[in-house]
Amino acid sequence: GAGVSQSPRYKVAKRGQDVALRCDPISGHVSLFWYQQALGQGPEFLTYFQNEAQLDKSGLPSDRFFAERPEGSVSTLKIQRTQQEDSAVYLCASSSPSVGSAGAQHFGDGTRLSIL
Amino acid sequence: QKEVEQNSGPLSVPEGAIASLNCTYSDRVSQSFFWYRQYSGKSPELIMSIYSNGDKEDGRFTAQLNKASQYVSLLIRDSQPSDSATYLCAVRGQAGTALIFGKGTTLSVSS
Repeated sequence: GAGVSQSPRYKVAKRGQDVALRCDPISGHVSLFWYQQALGQGPEFLTYFQNEAQLDKSGLPSDRFFAERPEGSVSTLKIQRTQQEDSAVYLCASSSPSVGSAGAQHFGDGTRLSIL
Repeated sequence: QKEVEQNSGPLSVPEGAIASLNCTYSDRVSQSFFWYRQYSGKSPELIMSIYSNGDKEDGRFTAQLNKASQYVSLLIRDSQPSDSATYLCAVRGQAGTALIFGKGTTLSVSS
């Protein structure tokens, strides 16, 4: 597709349930990032993939958060045993390694997660 | 702790005026600097990138970078009501690493 695609756009879950959020990056973009954005705040880094390799997961807030990108394209962010503090917008971004763009990241529309 | 600081605003300017948005960052080895615009309920949209000291102009937008002062700014000339949004400053070290965002400055342009 032309841009980064995320699904679902909205997700409501009860506390304790597991959720899975999907990101389909721009075709050809090898780098993929997940960010979490709380209301009134800037996005905060969660994890980074280069192709299928997860190179940095230092931003994941707990071991309940898990991300994968098995074939180097689509990525899934999974949150187990959700808590109310997990309520946020989860943004996915991808970037191209080409010199001209210098790796500018382009964001999807995000998934707004609400934990009841 | 790498930090990016922005005045949260709101910054209010009349239509046609120049809006000036400012950002400071703590990590001296930062190499790339970005301004994103975010409308309420929408995702961040890249509007400017700058990598070297000085000014970079694109239409009504000018980004300014001063690495010695660890300062980056965005000027919006001839501000329009459609420019009303939150502007996020983002900083990055090496290519392929994560962006560090400020909290954003809310701009309101009145007609």
